[in-house]
Amino acid sequence: GAGVSQSPRYKVAKRGQDVALRCDPISGHVSLFWYQQALGQGPEFLTYFQNEAQLDKSGLPSDRFFAERPEGSVSTLKIQRTQQEDSAVYLCASSLGAAGLTLSHYSGANVLTFGAGSRLTVL
Amino acid sequence: QKEVEQDPGPLSVPEGAIVSLNCTYSNSAFQYFMWYRQYSRKGPELLMYTYSSGNKEDGRFTAQVDKSSKYISLFIRDSQPSDSATYLCAMTINNNDMRFGAGTRLTVKP
Repeated sequence: GAGVSQSPRYKVAKRGQDVALRCDPISGHVSLFWYQQALGQGPEFLTYFQNEAQLDKSGLPSDRFFAERPEGSVSTLKIQRTQQEDSAVYLCASSLGAAGLTLSHYSGANVLTFGAGSRLTVL
Repeated sequence: QKEVEQDPGPLSVPEGAIVSLNCTYSNSAFQYFMWYRQYSRKGPELLMYTYSSGNKEDGRFTAQVDKSSKYISLFIRDSQPSDSATYLCAMTINNNDMRFGAGTRLTVKP
């Protein structure tokens, strides 16, 4: 598609429920990132995929958070046993090239295109 | 102390004003510095990026990086109501995990 598509745009969950958030990156984009943006804050890194490989999951706040990208395209972020502190906008971003820059090699291939996000509210 | 500090504002200016936005950071390993614009209920979109220290100009926008002071700035000349948005600074070592500031909410009044 023309951009990064995320669904659902809005999700309300009761505390303790499991939720799944989907990201459709731009076709052909190698890199996929998940970020969490709390109200009034900047996005915080959660995890990074290069194709189907999850190369960095250091930002996932707990083992209740799980992400996958089994075929190297669509990705799903799953949150188990949701808590109120999980309420946030979850942003997905993709880029054409692989991450891991050296020197000044930042180019159009490294630019992240963000989706509009999935707003999760846990009651 | 956060790794990237950004004054959240809000900042309100009249149309045509020069806007100055800035961030400070603590990690001297950051090499790539970006400014994103985020409209309400949208994802961030890249405005400008700079590698290492120096200035970069693109139309009405100028980005400055001073690595010795760990300080970056974005200047907007002849600001327009359509510039009203939240501006996020971001920085990264190698694009694997980008660190964002909290964002400054800007309103340009007609």
